Amino acid sequence: DAKTTQPTSMDCAEGRAANLPCNHSTISGNEYVYWYRQIHSQGPQYIIHGLKNNETNEMASLIITEDRKSSTLILPHATLRDTAVYYCIVKVKGGGADGLTFGKGTHLIIQP
Amino acid sequence: ETGVTQSPTHLIKTRGQQVTLRCSSQSGHNTVSWYQQALGQGPQFIFQYYREEENGRGNFPPRFSGLQFPNYSSELNVNALELDDSALYLCASSSGRINEKLFFGSGTQLSVL
Repeated sequence: DAKTTQPTSMDCAEGRAANLPCNHSTISGNEYVYWYRQIHSQGPQYIIHGLKNNETNEMASLIITEDRKSSTLILPHATLRDTAVYYCIVKVKGGGADGLTFGKGTHLIIQP
Repeated sequence: ETGVTQSPTHLIKTRGQQVTLRCSSQSGHNTVSWYQQALGQGPQFIFQYYREEENGRGNFPPRFSGLQFPNYSSELNVNALELDDSALYLCASSSGRINEKLFFGSGTQLSVL
């Protein structure tokens, strides 16, 4: 699986859009981009995933660049409850029972 | 709430002992995977069980073993505990043999003294 690079930490004001970048320059054509987050004292929570088209659900939007070498997770109206570590993961969908490879993620802090 | 429950929530053991951690998967899910999360690190994949068979394993030694039961609940067993085994152990359930959309429990915090 390709590796990802994320900033260690980011701040965002409550009510503003939080934009979390992820670089995956060695991504393969059949690898998807997955985002999870982990709130303190909880297990990771699935947010969204995509291949090449932009995706949106009730939690967030995922923007993938045309060359697929990077992506951005957007939380449109951040709240204090969005403070968490956000993980960007690339993996072939259904490609093997070898689990997800989590890096250290981005610690997003929402400021009141 | 994901519907995945783990027990116990906290556990203290001494080096050399054995430990069993338990996980009940979300209703309708037939796959369970286990992850180890050291302090300040992302979760690391230990292994996965699908319909009572191990079908995937990460880079963990054989003293890490598991079981999945007919009701799809699961156990993680660790023998000969080492100090470095101190970590948060997370269980995740999903549907289907391979599925990247996982539902995690809140974990068991294991301390090895």
